[in-house]
Amino acid sequence: KAGVTQTPRYLIKTRGQQVTLSCSPISGHRSVSWYQQTPGQGLQFLFEYFSETQRNKGNFPGRFSGRQFSNSRSEMNVSTLELGDSALYLCASSHDRDYGYTFGSGTRLTVV
Amino acid sequence: GQNIDQPTEMTATEGAIVQINCTYQTSGFNGLFWYQQHAGEAPTFLSYNVLDGLEEKGRFSSFLSRSKGYSYLLLKELQMKDSASYLCAVGPGAAGNKLTFGGGTRVLVKP
Repeated sequence: KAGVTQTPRYLIKTRGQQVTLSCSPISGHRSVSWYQQTPGQGLQFLFEYFSETQRNKGNFPGRFSGRQFSNSRSEMNVSTLELGDSALYLCASSHDRDYGYTFGSGTRLTVV
Repeated sequence: GQNIDQPTEMTATEGAIVQINCTYQTSGFNGLFWYQQHAGEAPTFLSYNVLDGLEEKGRFSSFLSRSKGYSYLLLKELQMKDSASYLCAVGPGAAGNKLTFGGGTRVLVKP
């Protein structure tokens, strides 16, 4: 079966711009979680969506937002980009609170 | 908070055994995960411990002690392809499908 698909794979943006990242979960998975990975902070939880509702949120500023569509695809948006937002953004999907947690390959965002 | 501590880096020889420790100060989670992540790639699932004890899966084994806040991942018969980062994580919890990760341990396997 197809895995978790994230697009785009690489992105370069300028400070102050906004960006939208996309995640298509494994078919049948209704939970999509987003993580930010940086060398200094490791993997940090951004938010989780389940059946189009945000169910959990990490400690990130309001510039980071997301949504989930009826087909379970999810997008995350970062507004007013800062240099510190440069990171690998990973999404993971699962049926629900189980251990079938599969990560996508990530979107590497570079803010210049 | 949910502090999860792992060594930053470990080096071992091909064919040897390496044990990666993970300690945490948290409660209220379903289980403890181990993921493997090669440079530039997505983390891939290795193991999930819910109950205390040892779970063995081929060359990889994982151990959990909830009372001690301790887990380890044991990699046996190391191969060059095992050079990667190994991430310890706890979750999910009642609040949702959230995992809290340690900083990861980079393992370098030398010939």
